[in-house]
Amino acid sequence: NAGVTQTPKFRVLKTGQSMTLLCAQDMNHEYMYWYRQDPGMGLRLIHYSVGEGTTAKGEVPDGYNVSRLKKQNFLLGLESAAPSQTSVYFCASSSSTSGSLADTQYFGPGTRLTVL
Amino acid sequence: QQPVQSPQAVILREGEDAVINCSSSKALYSVHWYRQKHGEAPVFLMILLKGGEQKGHDKISASFNEKKQQSSLYLTASQLSYSGTYFCGTEKYGSAGNMLTFGGGTRLMVKP
Repeated sequence: NAGVTQTPKFRVLKTGQSMTLLCAQDMNHEYMYWYRQDPGMGLRLIHYSVGEGTTAKGEVPDGYNVSRLKKQNFLLGLESAAPSQTSVYFCASSSSTSGSLADTQYFGPGTRLTVL
Repeated sequence: QQPVQSPQAVILREGEDAVINCSSSKALYSVHWYRQKHGEAPVFLMILLKGGEQKGHDKISASFNEKKQQSSLYLTASQLSYSGTYFCGTEKYGSAGNMLTFGGGTRLMVKP
């Protein structure tokens, strides 16, 4: 099992450019999440999904869009990148199906994004 | 609202003990603890659920006081491998399902 994988690992964008980050998991998990982590800070939830075809906003959703067309994949899009979106982005998945989060979240290795 | 962790940083000698606290202003469904080493992804340590159930690590213990909306992580006989940043996550209701809100982290350094 690969667990949770993320592509790309690193990316540099210019202000105004767009890009898509891909997260894939092979654990058949229902829930998937996108977080951002800024230097010296904790994780902040951007968007999440409780199942294929569903998405919801987290704490800091502005400037991002997501899609969950397949259960194993969760895509994070930046339509017009800004320097404030420079961060490390982590994807995670968990098997919670009851609406609560009583299960481990498994994190991917992260994508380091720099917006110039 | 983000949970508050204390202390923000702690330095230990190998073999010493440490306690990391996490408090929230809102009622908690569960508290999750993760450790992150520099440049790596967070790794699960423990979940504490309402009612006292715990899931997690054999060598790390934690408590969850539902009335005070607080959790504490106890690291005993620390090892060099315990170094890293510890995050607590508190579960709260989200529009499509519950979600975790993470604290700002506690940096732990264990020295020989």
